[in-house]
Parts: sequence; C-alpha cells; structure tokens
Amino acid sequence: GNSVTQMEGPVTLSEEAFLTINCTYTATGYPSLFWYVQYPGEGLQLLLKATKADDKGSNKGFEATYRKETTSFHLEKGSVQVSDSAVYFCALIRNTGGFKTIFGAGTRLFVKA
Amino acid sequence: EAEVAQSPRYKITEKSQAVAFWCDPISGHATLYWYRQILGQGPELLVQFQDESVVDDSQLPKDRFSAERLKGVDSTLKIQPAELGDSAMYLCASSLVGRDSYNEQFFGPGTRLTVL
Repeated sequence: GNSVTQMEGPVTLSEEAFLTINCTYTATGYPSLFWYVQYPGEGLQLLLKATKADDKGSNKGFEATYRKETTSFHLEKGSVQVSDSAVYFCALIRNTGGFKTIFGAGTRLFVKA
Repeated sequence: EAEVAQSPRYKITEKSQAVAFWCDPISGHATLYWYRQILGQGPELLVQFQDESVVDDSQLPKDRFSAERLKGVDSTLKIQPAELGDSAMYLCASSLVGRDSYNEQFFGPGTRLTVL
C-alpha cells in the first residue's frame, strides 16, 4: 500500500542552522509529493510540492527534491529562523479512482534564538 | 484572504454522548474533506465530498460517524455515541476540484475533541 515515513521529532535547532527533515515513501506508480506545515493553533498549509522524479519544489527558503531511486523527498533549509518553528508533514497523492492524500506522522521543529 | 472556518475549536464530551462539528469551506470550492488527526500522527481522511455527494468514505466508521453536505456548501460531521478513542483533532479542508485532478487543499484550524 501507499505510506509515508518521516524522521521522528522533535528536532531542535539554533537560529541560522541547517535543517534536514527526512521523508521516504512507498507507493505504486508515480505519486506526487508534498510538504505541509502546521504552525501552532493553525491548520495545515501547503509548503511545496513536486509532481515527477527529479523535480525540486521550493518555497520560503525550503527545498525538497523528488528522488525516485531512493523513494525520498527530504526537506531542507539552509538557515532556519525562530518563525519556522512548526510541525512539518510529508505527504503523497495517488490517483486511485480519486486523488487521496496520505500523510506522514509529522516532525515537530523547534528553533531557538 | 478566504479561509476554511470550523467550529467549535474545542469540544469536551463524555463517552456515549453525541457531538457535531461544522465546517464552512472557501467559497466556490466544490470538494470538501474531513480528516482525523490523532496526537502524534498525520491526518487521515474520513470522508470526501464532491459538491453534495460522498466520493470516498472508506475510512469513516459508519456505525457511529456520519457526515453530510446537504446543499454542497457547508458540512457537518457527527459522532454518536462518542468513544474514548475518538479523542483527536478533526480537520476540514476544501479545494476547487478533487476527484479528477489535484488542486491544493486549504485546511481549517481544526476542532480538538476530548472524550472523557
């Protein structure tokens, strides 16, 4: 079946540190891949996406590259800020007679000033 | 900026009671989703509507959960009777079209349910 596995949190970094949150997936065929972010007290927001192998999604300084050979979509940011503290969800979409989103468990990020 | 509205934001109830959650999607969004997010896990789709029709309710526990979107706009999710294991965040999302192509989902702030 389709599934998404993310690194467990929480991840705690100092401001301006480099961020990597690992995400791997299992799916038949060629899913589209997404990262969502959930700030405290808010709903999920789409952060970035990639729809085919070797695509790079980017937004707000975050990047992730769709790696088919390693079935991965790791999230990276070169210099995190306190305002990046949130929960990050990796997700995939497969068309199984309708587009259904499968989410990972989420990784909580704390950034210290 | 248009947002998905949900109410209540928090609900505490005792087991065996009935609870209901309301969602108002972004105007013009034909597709509406209800997700359940258990603490420490990602959201899991409970039901998806296309206008007023259910297109996916395969993960909805139909013996106690029901959902409706009578006029194809706002929606209600009901649990009766509530059980301890239903304690979770219930998220509503909407998108322009979801059945035959992917469009970005916009999420509401959620309703946090605690069953005592």
